Amino acid sequence: QKEVEQDPGPLSVPEGAIVSLNCTYSNSAFQYFMWYRQYSRKGPELLMYTYSSGNKEDGRFTAQVDKSSKYISLFIRDSQPSDSATYLCAMGGRSGAGSYQLTFGKGTKLSVIP
Amino acid sequence: GAVVSQHPSRVICKSGTSVKIECRSLDFQATTMFWYRQFPKQSLMLMATSNEGSKATYEQGVEKDKFLINHASLTLSTLTVTSAHPEDSSFYICSASLGENSPLHFGNGTRLTVT
Repeated sequence: QKEVEQDPGPLSVPEGAIVSLNCTYSNSAFQYFMWYRQYSRKGPELLMYTYSSGNKEDGRFTAQVDKSSKYISLFIRDSQPSDSATYLCAMGGRSGAGSYQLTFGKGTKLSVIP
Repeated sequence: GAVVSQHPSRVICKSGTSVKIECRSLDFQATTMFWYRQFPKQSLMLMATSNEGSKATYEQGVEKDKFLINHASLTLSTLTVTSAHPEDSSFYICSASLGENSPLHFGNGTRLTVT
């Protein structure tokens, strides 16, 4: 089983829809969680960062973490064509050997259709 | 805050030549920077961890003599692709963070094409 699983999509939604993006993970050492947005031919841009279970909201974006189920989500409300991008989840923490570890999902490609 | 600048954004070079990519943290000091490689429709693959004032730590399978990393100051790391070949063509992205438990901030990447 891979450490981080993320559905690559592609996911296509109409403008204004609520988008749900998800990742699951197997390593309980992960302590904090991030979502990045990556436009084509650009570096990833940090959207959300959280280290506790529950919800964190920032504008139209809500990050949700459920550590007991090892499941994280990113919700986008009132989606816009400018939200069309690839969304990467990332998780960080100490490995069993004590080293710092950051792992990315493969990314979900989202298209918001006007 | 936490801006990472990467240069050049795009480079085309001939096979056998070397290419240097710069990564700068503009508004913070980064003792550690990370270099990633990304193939089309693939996720980020960590190549190496660049440590200021010491040798870089390379991931398994990454040739350290081919991908030379220098982290001479707290705001600058460079990646040099030596004797580039067409199979080295890829998207290279650097990143840095404010600290161990802080998120990574990425540069805008360098698209390398080796002809």
